This record gives sequence, C-alpha cells and structure tokens, in this order.
Amino acid sequence: EAQVTQNPRYLITVTGKKLTVTCSQNMNHEYMSWYRQDPGLGLRQIYYSMNVEVTDKGDVPEGYKVSRKEKRNFPLILESPSPNQTSLYFCASSPFGGGYNEQFFGPGTRLTVL
Amino acid sequence: GQNIDQPTEMTATEGAIVQINCTYQTSGFNGLFWYQQHAGEAPTFLSYNVLDGLEEKGRFSSFLSRSKGYSYLLLKELQMKDSASYLCAVRDILTGGGNKLTFGTGTQLKVEL
Repeated sequence: EAQVTQNPRYLITVTGKKLTVTCSQNMNHEYMSWYRQDPGLGLRQIYYSMNVEVTDKGDVPEGYKVSRKEKRNFPLILESPSPNQTSLYFCASSPFGGGYNEQFFGPGTRLTVL
Repeated sequence: GQNIDQPTEMTATEGAIVQINCTYQTSGFNGLFWYQQHAGEAPTFLSYNVLDGLEEKGRFSSFLSRSKGYSYLLLKELQMKDSASYLCAVRDILTGGGNKLTFGTGTQLKVEL
C-alpha cells in the first residue's frame, strides 16, 4: 500500500530534550516536506527536500533540522525543543514537478513540549 | 509571498449543496488544490485546478478563475461524514523548489440534520 508513515504518533517531552520524528514514504517520491499545524494558523511548511541530500528552509524553520540521506526517509530533528514547538506535525511527499502531483500526507505526530 | 483567504466556518444541512470560497494572491501560480481534513487526521486530496473552469469529481466540484485569484469547492448532496475542515492550497512555481504548497487556514464545515 502506497503510504507515508510517521513515528511516533504522539509524544510528550520536556524542554531541551532532543528528539527525532521519523518520516518514510514507499512511493519513490523525490519531494518531501514537513509542516506544522496550529489552530488559526493552518499548515505551515518547516523544511522541504527536492531529492537526496537537497534540503531547504520553509516558512518556519527555526528550531528544527532535517536530513535526507535516503530517498524514502526525511526525519525531523528538534535539537532543543521548547514549548512553542508544541504542535501537530505532518510529513508529506510528492513526485517532483508540476501537474497533477498531489502531496500525500502522513498520519501526523502530536507533540507536546512541557 | 502568498496570501490565501477562506471563511473560517460554515454550516449546512444534510442533502443540501454548499460552496466554500477561496481567494489567493501569488506571484508564480502553478495550481490550486483542495484537501479535506477530519479532526486530528491527515489532509486528504480532493481536487486540483490549474486552468480556468470547473473540475467535477462525483459529489465534489472545484472551480478556478486565475484572473480573479478565486476558487470554490462545491459539495453536493451533503452527508454527515462531510463535516470536516476544507483546506485551499496554492502551489507557487517560484518558491520551495516549485513544489511548495501554501495553505489557507481552512474552512470548518458542519453538516446538520
């Protein structure tokens, strides 16, 4: 089954404790992206990657890192989480290029930073 | 940058028709998407428009006017399960490697009996 998976789905942590949220897709998509979703603000892009070893900042990259060592994986790293990073996070992937290339979303990771 | 506006909430009756509007401003328009999102779940793709006109897909249709920076999503024969948030998203060829989607804040639709 074609899908995007994320782990963990739920996480409660404390300020400053490094964490990684994994994202994996099995559709051989070039483009991958991380979003955070907050009430009243909608989905905002954190980082994106156009292919292996190619990553760039989105609209709200502060406090986050990513890597793209393999095509299927795109982990999101919070080196020193803070309470303002409490949010619902989504990973998404799509074929690169325009046209009818919808982004497929993972199930989401609900993160709480105390 | 991009700016996308859509109503925050709408209420409609089961069996009726509802139209959700979206206006946008973007420099390098390269397609408009509508997604459906149930509370706490992932957005799921509904429709895509890149040329002016109406795209029909079962009970859902989406319209685009590029000159007006305007789109709407039309839902017919509403069902209770259509209660969800509907997200308008615009792809801009000039940013984010050409694949970036900028989302509106979503329209929360409530379908009542």
